[in-house]
Amino acid sequence: KAGVTQTPRYLIKTRGQQVTLSCSPISGHRSVSWYQQTPGQGLQFLFEYFSETQRNKGNFPGRFSGRQFSNSRSEMNVSTLELGDSALYLCASSLASSAGADTQYFGPGTRLTVL
Amino acid sequence: GEDVEQSLFLSVREGDSSVINCTYTDSSSTYLYWYKQEPGAGLQLLTYIFSNMDMKQDQRLTVLLNKKDKHLSLRIADTQTGDSAIYFCAESPDGSSNTGKLIFGQGTTLQVKP
Repeated sequence: KAGVTQTPRYLIKTRGQQVTLSCSPISGHRSVSWYQQTPGQGLQFLFEYFSETQRNKGNFPGRFSGRQFSNSRSEMNVSTLELGDSALYLCASSLASSAGADTQYFGPGTRLTVL
Repeated sequence: GEDVEQSLFLSVREGDSSVINCTYTDSSSTYLYWYKQEPGAGLQLLTYIFSNMDMKQDQRLTVLLNKKDKHLSLRIADTQTGDSAIYFCAESPDGSSNTGKLIFGQGTTLQVKP
């Protein structure tokens, strides 16, 4: 079974631009979560989508948004990019089963550099 | 509140055991996880433990949980150079408002010397 895939793997943007990152979950997984990883703040939860609805959101400004499609694929968008948005953005998928651990499986990440 | 703490660095000799420690604050967490991150890669799930368990063993990995002290540890037996990576402890806070959310520690860099 294929793992979580993220595209693109690397991205360079300039301040003020916007960017869209894509995530394809493991087949059959219905929940997709996004995380930002930086050297200073570590891994921080951005938001989670399930059945095309945002169920949970972390403490990030409104410039960070996302969506999920009917096939569970998800995109996240960052508008008006700032230098501090440079980070590794990780996507994780899970079955979102009510029984047992809702184990999250991570993709390789998208490395975003804002100049 | 939700907080997970880990020591930042551990160095061991190849063949020795490694023990990575983690403390967490959310007593309602139902599951606790260990992930591994190699340079330039995403997070690889190593193992997890349910909060009502004390210990879980999976091949070279042993997880110990002291729920009273909110302390979690990961022991890697016979550590190999390929185990060199950053190890993250994560908790899954309980409640419908925490769906899909993991709280991560800062990560422990494990250096294995030949």
